[in-house]
Amino acid sequence: DTVLTQSPALAVSPGERVSISCRASEGVNSYMHWYQQKPGQQPKLLIYKASNLASGVPARFSGSGSGTDFTLTIDPVEADDTATYFCQQSWNDPPTFGGGTKLELK
Amino acid sequence: EVQLVETGGGLVQPGRSLKLSCVASGFTFSSYWMYWIRQAPGKGLEWVSSINTDGGSTYYPDSVKGRFTISRDNAENTVYLQMNSLRSEDTATYYCAKHGLGATFDYWGQGVMVTVSS
Repeated sequence: DTVLTQSPALAVSPGERVSISCRASEGVNSYMHWYQQKPGQQPKLLIYKASNLASGVPARFSGSGSGTDFTLTIDPVEADDTATYFCQQSWNDPPTFGGGTKLELK
Repeated sequence: EVQLVETGGGLVQPGRSLKLSCVASGFTFSSYWMYWIRQAPGKGLEWVSSINTDGGSTYYPDSVKGRFTISRDNAENTVYLQMNSLRSEDTATYYCAKHGLGATFDYWGQGVMVTVSS
């Protein structure tokens, strides 16, 4: 299975820019997606196919990367962005998720 | 508005069975693959099963293959997950999700908790 590795946690101040990384154990082309999960809620799709903004997602969120290295960027960060962010690949079977990066605001 | 509502969770003893349901609305259900994904308490996300549009093709990871069965009723806009021979490691919140662009999970239900314990 394709293993996706994310840093476990980040802390930033509101108004700053933050980048969350995801590294795949093998190439996933551009089929990397990002989800936001707030405590007690279901995940929400933010970015699909590396860099495409999902419907209704603010333009503060952006994605980049291809192959094995991908990044989710939030600029500027707002208080409401406190959440865990998961990457997920759908290029290789089975679909797999990263362990999640918990974003905390200072 | 897309809505997915799961029901059927609860506390069950090891070795017993449980059937989850997910009722969909707000989109043409019969045109989309559907999925079940689970999240153990405080843990990450794990894909559990997939089903194609007519229910003729289903897929599972090794962790549940032979124990779980996904099915759908397009007339009722419902996808099911039959879970047999449950184990403590199946304890999780189970989400149903809809297929989206780029083979994403673009909409998720609110989730239903399944606890396997004696």
